[in-house]
Amino acid sequence: AQSVTQPDIHITVSEGASLELRCNYSYGATPYLFWYVQSPGQGLQLLLKYFSGDTLVQGIKGFEAEFKRSQSSFNLRKPSVHWSDAAEYFCAVAITSGTYKYIFGTGTRLKVLA
Amino acid sequence: EAGVAQSPRYKIIEKRQSVAFWCNPISGHATLYWYQQILGQGPKLLIQFQNNGVVDDSQLPKDRFSAERLKGVDSTLKIQPAKLEDSAVYLCASSSPTGGTSGANVLTFGAGSRLTVL
Repeated sequence: AQSVTQPDIHITVSEGASLELRCNYSYGATPYLFWYVQSPGQGLQLLLKYFSGDTLVQGIKGFEAEFKRSQSSFNLRKPSVHWSDAAEYFCAVAITSGTYKYIFGTGTRLKVLA
Repeated sequence: EAGVAQSPRYKIIEKRQSVAFWCNPISGHATLYWYQQILGQGPKLLIQFQNNGVVDDSQLPKDRFSAERLKGVDSTLKIQPAKLEDSAVYLCASSSPTGGTSGANVLTFGAGSRLTVL
């Protein structure tokens, strides 16, 4: 069955440090991949997406993600974390099932230390 | 453009009572989704509409949950009777009718409706 795994439930980094959030998916074909961010009490906001082409995609707020087909991964990175990045991050895939079906991971909660 | 509107933002009810949530998607978005997000989990699809028709409701607990999308615009999600395990945030999302060359669409989410069942 199709699934999305985010192995890290919680991650804590110091402000200014680099960040990498992991995402692995299970799907037979190349999926469409997304990262969303959710601040407390808010809905999900799109950070970036991968549909095709260059496997390194740039998003908003200085985030980037790299699609690695051989590892079925789509990890999110940021070179220097800001305190305002503290939030929950969700990886998602869109798979074809008649229409497009979106499957979300369980999320990684990021804490940023001043 | 205006975002996805949801109301109420917060609702507290006793178990066995009923509750309804409303969603107004982005103008022109034909596809509307209701997700349930339990604390500590990712969003789980409850129901997906394409215009006013149901595309996927396989994970909707139909004995207590119902949803409708009249005229292919606004949508209402109802729970009756509510159970303790229904405590969650109910997220509405919409997407544009075409995905361009890619096919898949980007989901735009509302702020959510937080339900607490006591």
